[in-house]
Amino acid sequence: GAGVSQSPSNKVTEKGKDVELRCDPISGHTALYWYRQSLGQGLEFLIYFQGNSAPDKSGLPSDRFSAERTGGSVSTLTIQRTQQEDSAVYLCASSLGGGNTEAFFGQGTRLTVV
Amino acid sequence: KQEVTQIPAALSVPEGENLVLNCSFTDSAIYNLQWFRQDPGKGLTSLLLIQSSQREQTSGRLNASLDKSSGRSTLYIAASQPGDSATYLCAVPQAGNNRKLIWGLGTSLAVNP
Repeated sequence: GAGVSQSPSNKVTEKGKDVELRCDPISGHTALYWYRQSLGQGLEFLIYFQGNSAPDKSGLPSDRFSAERTGGSVSTLTIQRTQQEDSAVYLCASSLGGGNTEAFFGQGTRLTVV
Repeated sequence: KQEVTQIPAALSVPEGENLVLNCSFTDSAIYNLQWFRQDPGKGLTSLLLIQSSQREQTSGRLNASLDKSSGRSTLYIAASQPGDSATYLCAVPQAGNNRKLIWGLGTSLAVNP
């Protein structure tokens, strides 16, 4: 696609429910990142995928968070048993990978846990 | 550990002014530095990327400079317009395999007509 696409753009969910956030990166980009932006805070790294390598999950805040990337393209971030502190904007970025780290971001998914 | 700081946190200027946003980083061994714009409720738009070997990059009314030795980058916006109102973020990739971006908290810019 022309840019990084994320869906849904907004999600309101009840505490305790599971949610899935989707990211469709730029075609041909091998690197994919998930970040979280909480109100009044900087962007927080969550997880990184590079090609077929094992993902770097070092930024995931708890075992309720998981992500996968199927076929080296679309990625899904899943949050189980959502908590109010999970409310944030979840941003996905992709880059060509290798030596090219220029990141292109999607519009984000605003998650509100009520 | 790399830390990125942006000053000022907020800036309000009248339309037409030239302005400078500052970004500093603690580890000068950076690979590159990227400036982004974020509009309220929106994602991030990449503005400029400066490679570590470069001193500056220009795009339209925007000019970004990089001084690795002093750990600083500036984003210069010429002849500011109300449409430039947004939050401006700078980020550097962390050294290592994942190259995750380390972020400043941003400068919130308001350009008043």
